[in-house]
Amino acid sequence: RKEVEQDPGPFNVPEGATVAFNCTYSNSASQSFFWYRQDCRKEPKLLMSVYSSGNEDGRFTAQLNRASQYISLLIRDSKLSDSATYLCAVGGGKLIFGQGTELSVKP
Amino acid sequence: DVKVTQSSRYLVKRTGEKVFLECVQDMDHENMFWYRQDPGLGLRLIYFSYDVKMKEKGDIPEGYSVSREKKERFSLILESASTNQTSMYLCASSLPRGTGSLPQHFGDGTRLSIL
Repeated sequence: RKEVEQDPGPFNVPEGATVAFNCTYSNSASQSFFWYRQDCRKEPKLLMSVYSSGNEDGRFTAQLNRASQYISLLIRDSKLSDSATYLCAVGGGKLIFGQGTELSVKP
Repeated sequence: DVKVTQSSRYLVKRTGEKVFLECVQDMDHENMFWYRQDPGLGLRLIYFSYDVKMKEKGDIPEGYSVSREKKERFSLILESASTNQTSMYLCASSLPRGTGSLPQHFGDGTRLSIL
């Protein structure tokens, strides 16, 4: 089993849709959780940290479920510009990255 | 904003050459990392460093070495380049936080082709 797993997608959604990504992790001692966005042929950029109580940044909501060992990212009112690959990262010293979920938002 | 600068965006080298990839960060971060990213394989950690003169092997260190002589600079060295080292190389840095991690900030990446 991989340490961090994501559904690779692609997720194809219309503009305005709500889309959710999940990321499962195997190390129950993990302490740090993040979501990154990566555009084609570019570097990953930090989208948001994930806090125990859940957190929101505009249209983006991140949640952590320690009991089931997964984190989630919800994107509301999808925009064309949200099209990218979304990577989760889980850490306790080093960060372990998921392989990413590709999102394509269509007009 | 954190700035992580990698010396080259694109690089073409020949098999057997010794290749140096340089990375500099301007935020006084203790931690620095080198990854490679390949389609279908995601980000794989090659080496990392938590302090000057310190280095630790990541998941795929074979064929690589690193150097950290100054806090802001972390170099990746391909001792004798081979075609299977053709990849996107990404450098990252972060602050330490006890036993947890603060987020890593990435450089633009170097697309390295070995012919």
